[in-house]
Amino acid sequence: ELKVEQNPLFLSMQEGKNYTIYCNYSTTSDRLYWYRQDPGKSLESLFVLLSNGAVKQEGRLMASLDTKARLSTLHITAAVHDLSATYFCAVERGTDKLIFGTGTRLQVFP
Amino acid sequence: NAGVMQNPRHLVRRRGQEARLRCSPMKGHSHVYWYRQLPEEGLKFMVYLQKENIIDESGMPKERFSAEFPKEGPSILRIQQVVRGDSAAYFCASSPPSSEYEQYFGPGTRLTVT
Repeated sequence: ELKVEQNPLFLSMQEGKNYTIYCNYSTTSDRLYWYRQDPGKSLESLFVLLSNGAVKQEGRLMASLDTKARLSTLHITAAVHDLSATYFCAVERGTDKLIFGTGTRLQVFP
Repeated sequence: NAGVMQNPRHLVRRRGQEARLRCSPMKGHSHVYWYRQLPEEGLKFMVYLQKENIIDESGMPKERFSAEFPKEGPSILRIQQVVRGDSAAYFCASSPPSSEYEQYFGPGTRLTVT
């Protein structure tokens, strides 16, 4: 059974600092996704990672994928308050379903 | 092109009543997925449907829950005799009929059982 684990579960960081969220999964996958969710809202797709070594960047966020280690990272550079949200990774196999991680609740304070 | 639409956005039911949640996929999308998010948790897969077919219902509770995606009209997630533990956000996602494309999520229906 495919399992997806994220850490940390909670992250409180000061503006301007850097940090990394980790996503481990237990078996091979076809694609890995990172989503952002604001309280009471739906999911916003951030990145889709398809292959080993894939790296994508958008603004202060950068995601990478190591399929051999079954590990993806979401790196936050020089955090700002607007990045405060819950971040989920999700792993897809075939066209069947997404298996989500537990989520990382990020709070950025001045 | 309108996104995935779900209605109602908020639904309040008393214990024992039925809840019907609707999902209209994006135009051209024939695959629909339902996910449930309990408070403070991640999303959990429930069911995957194509037009008139249930492909994977491995995440559906064995009792009280059912889903359909008819040839015409939206996909329906039906919960009979709701209990307080059914209170959650229910998200629908859709995708085109190809494994190349990702799923697109709707705004969700927040079900509260009183």
